Amino acid sequence: DIVMTQGALPNPVPSGESASITCQSSKSLLHSNGKTYLNWYLQRPGQSPQLLIYWMSTRASGVSDRFSGSGSGTDFTLKISSVEAEDVGVYYCQQFLEYPRTFGGGTKLELK
Amino acid sequence: EVQLVESGGGLVQPGRSLKLSCAASGFTFSNYGMAWVRQTPTKGLEWVASISTGGGNTYYRDSVKGRFTISRDNAKNTQYLQMDSLRSEDTATYYCARSLLPYFDYWGQGVMVTVSS
Repeated sequence: DIVMTQGALPNPVPSGESASITCQSSKSLLHSNGKTYLNWYLQRPGQSPQLLIYWMSTRASGVSDRFSGSGSGTDFTLKISSVEAEDVGVYYCQQFLEYPRTFGGGTKLELK
Repeated sequence: EVQLVESGGGLVQPGRSLKLSCAASGFTFSNYGMAWVRQTPTKGLEWVASISTGGGNTYYRDSVKGRFTISRDNAKNTQYLQMDSLRSEDTATYYCARSLLPYFDYWGQGVMVTVSS
């Protein structure tokens, strides 16, 4: 199985500051079609996860441009510029390259 | 508006069975793959199973293979998860998710399953 490992945030993050969340995969997520099968989700308190980013850097429909994804085949970063109250929650990375689909352990974002 | 509504959760004894349902609306159900994902405080999010648009292809995580069965009824816009021989480690909130390669783009609100004597 592909293991997804997420880093922690130095919480709490001051409102208006930027935050970067890291994720590492145990295997390259770069497909032969040139796309990297790495997704980011946000789970707000009491809610279901919602898709933020797919193919490592493509924002899902309706997602703020304050969210951006980047990385290589195995190391990834989700950057949130100018953190707002609505960004609070747990962020998960996920690989969609192989079965079983696997998630990182989550990174909690708290606001100061 | 896309909606996924799970039902069928509850408290069940180890070794018994439970069947979850996920009623879909707001989109053409037969055009999308579907999946079940579960969540616990200790293990976080775990993909459980996926099913293709027509139901002909199914995929499972190893720990549920042979015990869980994912299925769908496109005429009823509903997917199911039949869970047999339940174990305490299957205790979780189970989410229904719409699956469009390469992501899960819509999730239900989740249904709790507790396996305990």
